[in-house]
Amino acid sequence: AQSVTQLGSHVSVSEGALVLLRCNYSSSVPPYLFWYVQYPNQGLQLLLKYTSAATLVKGINGFEAEFKKSETSFHLTKPSAHMSDAAEYFCAVSEGNTDKLIFGTGTRLQVFP
Amino acid sequence: GAVVSQHPSRVICKSGTSVKIECRSLDFQATTMFWYRQFPKQSLMLMATSNEGSKATYEQGVEKDKFLINHASLTLSTLTVTSAHPEDSSFYICSARTPENTEAFFGQGTRLTVV
Repeated sequence: AQSVTQLGSHVSVSEGALVLLRCNYSSSVPPYLFWYVQYPNQGLQLLLKYTSAATLVKGINGFEAEFKKSETSFHLTKPSAHMSDAAEYFCAVSEGNTDKLIFGTGTRLQVFP
Repeated sequence: GAVVSQHPSRVICKSGTSVKIECRSLDFQATTMFWYRQFPKQSLMLMATSNEGSKATYEQGVEKDKFLINHASLTLSTLTVTSAHPEDSSFYICSARTPENTEAFFGQGTRLTVV
């Protein structure tokens, strides 16, 4: 069975500071990994995805994530936080090109001026 | 990217009534659609997988007679919450994908409030 663990339900950073949101996964097969962002009362928007190509994945809005098999991690980073980055972020895993996305519990990012 | 539209975005209904939520893929054909439920400040939980032209596959613990799913065309799936109760109040989100796509596109969600 696959699972995703997001460490830290809340992360607060100052505007301009580094953003680091942690995600660890468990999968018995090579996983596909995703990061989504959710703004209040809205659906999810894909930030980036790892599909067994390059281990460093660049996404939208300046975000990137690195797949580390040895650490079973897929942490999301952004060098400089912007106020508009404040949202809920979800890490998700699926078994390759299959149906189900298994989501982590989410991390709420707050950005202070 | 592809667009998935959900309707309505918000709905309030009386306890005991039924509510239908629509999920449409606007610019692609979705052979598979998924329905998720999200409680406040929690993650998304997959309720069911809907395949066009066949019965939906429900996750363990989801009552298929209460949450009726119909995927009658390649661009439309509907979720009907039957005999709704206050505990069914939640944020329901659909997503859709095609077999050749590793990405699932999400609708904007429907907030259901049962009073």
